[in-house]
Amino acid sequence: DGGITQSPKYLFRKEGQNVTLSCEQNLNHDAMYWYRQDPGQGLRLIYYSQIVNDFQKGDIAEGYSVSREKKESFPLTVTSAQKNPTAFYLCASSIYRGNQPQHFGDGTRLSIL
Amino acid sequence: GESVGLHLPTLSVQEGDNSIINCAYSNSASDYFIWYKQESGKGPQFIIDIRSNMDKRQGQRVTVLLNKTVKHLSLQIAATQPGDSAVYFCAEKGSQETSGSRLTFGEGTQLTVNP
Repeated sequence: DGGITQSPKYLFRKEGQNVTLSCEQNLNHDAMYWYRQDPGQGLRLIYYSQIVNDFQKGDIAEGYSVSREKKESFPLTVTSAQKNPTAFYLCASSIYRGNQPQHFGDGTRLSIL
Repeated sequence: GESVGLHLPTLSVQEGDNSIINCAYSNSASDYFIWYKQESGKGPQFIIDIRSNMDKRQGQRVTVLLNKTVKHLSLQIAATQPGDSAVYFCAEKGSQETSGSRLTFGEGTQLTVNP
């Protein structure tokens, strides 16, 4: 089935450690996105990529980094510079042009040890 | 800045009743709107969308209404069922030139269906 796969489902980070969240899609979408969701709140955009080898900062990019070396993959690294990383992280993808919805994975929950 | 917001953070209804979830937006240039349903511990799931050249669109048990004059969007769920209990988000997309494919999400409404 076509879709978006995020892994792992749960992740724990130690102080000073970088961790990488995986996002893979087989929908042949050009654009991919990373969102952060805090309890009881909406989605905030961290980074997005509209084409391979290109990406842009969203609204809360500080302390995060991404790469887009392949169309299917858009990994997110939560660096030690992100002082409050505990959240639910959601990856999405979409067609870049035209009015089409974004499709979401089932998220990764990151906690601090 | 531009924002999308919801009037009510929570909504509680009886099973079988109709539900209406509202959303206000402020970007008059937005040309596309989407409603998502998010169950606990899962990613948002697409429900229905509407383009700015329409004022109503119907799906299975759901209807989205768009009032561009007052920048208001609503989601109506007919004969609400316990499985409809979730958080509902509206999202808007600006023009391709200014926003590309980015969406702006509202804060969400928690819908609880009582048996």
